[in-house]
Amino acid sequence: DAMVIQNPRYQVTQFGKPVTLSCSQTLNHNVMYWYQQKSSQAPKLLFHYYDKDFNNEADTPDNFQSRRPNTSFCFLDIRSPGLGDAAMYLCATSRSYGPISTGGNQPQHFGDGTRLSIL
Amino acid sequence: DAKTTQPNSMESNEEEPVHLPCNHSTISGTDYIHWYRQLPSQGPEYVIHGLTSNVNNRMASLAIAEDRKSSTLILHRATLRDAAVYYCILRDEWGNQFYFGTGTSLTVIP
Repeated sequence: DAMVIQNPRYQVTQFGKPVTLSCSQTLNHNVMYWYQQKSSQAPKLLFHYYDKDFNNEADTPDNFQSRRPNTSFCFLDIRSPGLGDAAMYLCATSRSYGPISTGGNQPQHFGDGTRLSIL
Repeated sequence: DAKTTQPNSMESNEEEPVHLPCNHSTISGTDYIHWYRQLPSQGPEYVIHGLTSNVNNRMASLAIAEDRKSSTLILHRATLRDAAVYYCILRDEWGNQFYFGTGTSLTVIP
């Protein structure tokens, strides 16, 4: 019954070689998020989509890009991975956001992540 | 965004209640208090959230101080499966962003 699916669970790439991580959801949620979690640290928000509207965090490096071709899928592209990009990458969804009176502030549903290693 | 402060780690005996504290002294009137937990090798999992009143669900209870500057997540009977990192998060009314604090690593002792 996995609702937010991340593939693969483990990804190895070479220094500087572009890599794409994928996320799919069966919840039909409007919002999809990408987080980076380094070892023994809390997840850090990179960016999110509300439908097709992309929202980047101010401190997310330009090396990180994202695509959302449809409601169900979202991709994280790392154009030139460096050793410092080795981390767990988490995808999450939520139905919407906005004032709770209009249905916002919904819980986020996370996938189990893709652990990225850089050789 | 307002920040949260949690103890780095706590221990509990199995089948005993656990009270996980969180301080959020700079909380604004429209910030919701969310709790998530992350089991080893898994993504975070929603536990509970509230605004002003105490909240209960099948997983836990959330007790919110009257001045809202602190809150406590209560696990009524800790099990070994509750061993995880618990994150207390403030989320504004619009809820479009989500910033995790450092979290509390809970160890449950058999």
